[in-house]
Amino acid sequence: DAKTTQPNSMESNEEEPVHLPCNHSTISGTDYIHWYRQLPSQGPEYVIHGLTSNVNNRMASLAIAEDRKSSTLILHRATLRDAAVYYCIPAFGGNKLVFGAGTILRVKS
Amino acid sequence: DTGVSQDPRHKITKRGQNVTFRCDPISEHNRLYWYRQTLGQGPEFLTYFQNEAQLEKSRLLSDRFSAERPKGSFSTLEIQRTEQGDSAMYLCASSSHRVYEQYFGPGTRLTVT
Repeated sequence: DAKTTQPNSMESNEEEPVHLPCNHSTISGTDYIHWYRQLPSQGPEYVIHGLTSNVNNRMASLAIAEDRKSSTLILHRATLRDAAVYYCIPAFGGNKLVFGAGTILRVKS
Repeated sequence: DTGVSQDPRHKITKRGQNVTFRCDPISEHNRLYWYRQTLGQGPEFLTYFQNEAQLEKSRLLSDRFSAERPKGSFSTLEIQRTEQGDSAMYLCASSSHRVYEQYFGPGTRLTVT
């Protein structure tokens, strides 16, 4: 399983963009980079995933470094509802997810 | 589609008792996963099924733990002779073979006294 390094916590102002970094230097060539988030008292929620190219969906954007050793989750306009723990998880599609400690995102109004 | 459901949501039991949790995945999802999460930690993988076949079990899953998915639909996780260290949130997730995202249920919080 690839090891990941994420900041313990980050803070953002409401309505501003947030860039959540993740290092995954030992990622295998077939692993996708998944991002999940967990709101307080809820199960984790899928955010986005990608392999090599940058990806966009209605929740966020994922920027993947050319060497795939790092990625950045981008929330374009943070809201109070985005306050959560964000997990970056390299994994082959459909396989188990190995969660690290994640990044606690705090959003200030 | 109502999402992944888990029952019960909370369970308090005394040490040494057996407990069983149920997970109902999203209909037609052929993959089902169990995870465990303790306070302040990320979820830890326990086991997963593709249809009724249990394909992988974590070393965390001691002999006291058993999981089944007899008809490839709902799943049960049983813990025998519970210990205080089993106190945690037990999460279930499901996914389709066509997509990568796992959909998680709300979890069952187990407290062993």
